[in-house]
Formats: sequence, structure tokens, C-alpha cells
Amino acid sequence: GQQLNQSPQSMFIQEGEDVSMNCTSSSIFNTWLWYKQDPGEGPVLLIALYKAGELTSNGRLTAQFGITRKDSFLNISASIPSDVGIYFCAGQGTYGGSQGNLIFGKGTKLSVKP
Amino acid sequence: NAGVMQNPRHLVRRRGQEARLRCSPMKGHSHVYWYRQLPEEGLKFMVYLQKENIIDESGMPKERFSAEFPKEGPSILRIQQVVRGDSAAYFCASSPTVKNSPLHFGNGTRLTVT
Repeated sequence: GQQLNQSPQSMFIQEGEDVSMNCTSSSIFNTWLWYKQDPGEGPVLLIALYKAGELTSNGRLTAQFGITRKDSFLNISASIPSDVGIYFCAGQGTYGGSQGNLIFGKGTKLSVKP
Repeated sequence: NAGVMQNPRHLVRRRGQEARLRCSPMKGHSHVYWYRQLPEEGLKFMVYLQKENIIDESGMPKERFSAEFPKEGPSILRIQQVVRGDSAAYFCASSPTVKNSPLHFGNGTRLTVT
């Protein structure tokens, strides 16, 4: 089946640091999505990417849709404590799945440095 | 503008009982999706429905699971004769009619089978 490899699995952040995470796939996607999930809640959409090469920002977040359509990265600049949570990438489309059949990565867990 | 509403938030069932999970999509959204999430995992697609129609059920287990989205009322995910392995968080998402529009998720129903 389709799989997304998301890395890193976890990372510790100190306030003010920049953070970077990425997703790769063996399949191409029409759309890449980045979600954040806080404990006990559902995923919240952060950024949607629709075109290969597209670079999109949402406040301190920046994401890119890879040229090959098989990868995407998410950067968070000047992190703050409320950035803590689990970030998921998701791919949509082209592999034969319906529009609602998103393939999710396993998540990158952001925690505060002790 | 209310988001995707799911209830109950928590559901405890004994093995062999039935579980019924409800989802009301965002206003104006006619596409509903159900996903399952195990601890420390990403979300896995189960089923995609439009009003009165199942569009894609490729992620649904073949037995005991069913879903509907009637003309009136919420979408229902029904699990008959639950087993311990059904314990998970079940998330509903919705989208408007535009193809490849991003999915917006509810806060989920946490099912525990004892």
C-alpha cells in the first residue's frame, strides 16, 4: 500500500529555534497537506499545497511541494511553546484513491527541550 | 461557523456490544470521511460518503463495520460486536464539493473496548 515516510519522528525545540521536518513518498500526489494535532483533539489543517514546486507560508510556517511531487517539507521559524504537538503530512490523489483517501505520515512529535 | 462535530467524545463498550459514532459535517459540506487512529500512529482512511451514497469504502474492514450518511441527520459509523482491537480514536472529516479541497477534521470519538 501507499506509504509516507515522515522524519524526524520526534524532536525537541527551544523557544526561538527554527524547526524543519519532511515527508517523502514512492508515489506522486496531487496535493500535499500539513496538519497539527494536539493531545485529545483532531488534526488541524496548517497548509495545503496544490502545485509541484509551490512554496506557501502561513505566519511562521512555510511548506513546499517538491518538484517531483513525491516530497514536501514544513519549516517553523522562531518556535514558541504552543508549537508543541504532533505534525502530520498527508498526500492526496493520483494513486487511484478517491479524493478523501488521504495517506498520512506517522507524525513528527515536537516537544520542549528539558 | 461550527466545525465538524463528533459525538460522543468518549465511548466505552464491552466486547460484543455495538458502537455508534456520529458526525455532523461543517455547514455547507456534503462530503464526509471517516478515519481511524491508533496510538502513536497517523490516521488511516476508512470510508468516504456523500449524502446517501458510499463513494469509497476501500479502508473499511469487511465485517462488522458499516457507515451511512442519510439525507437528513449526521453520518454514522457503526461497529457491531466490538473487539478489543477496535479500541482507537475515530475521526470524521468533511469537505465542500470542490474536488481535492482540504479535509477539516472533528475532535474524534475515543472508543475503548473492555
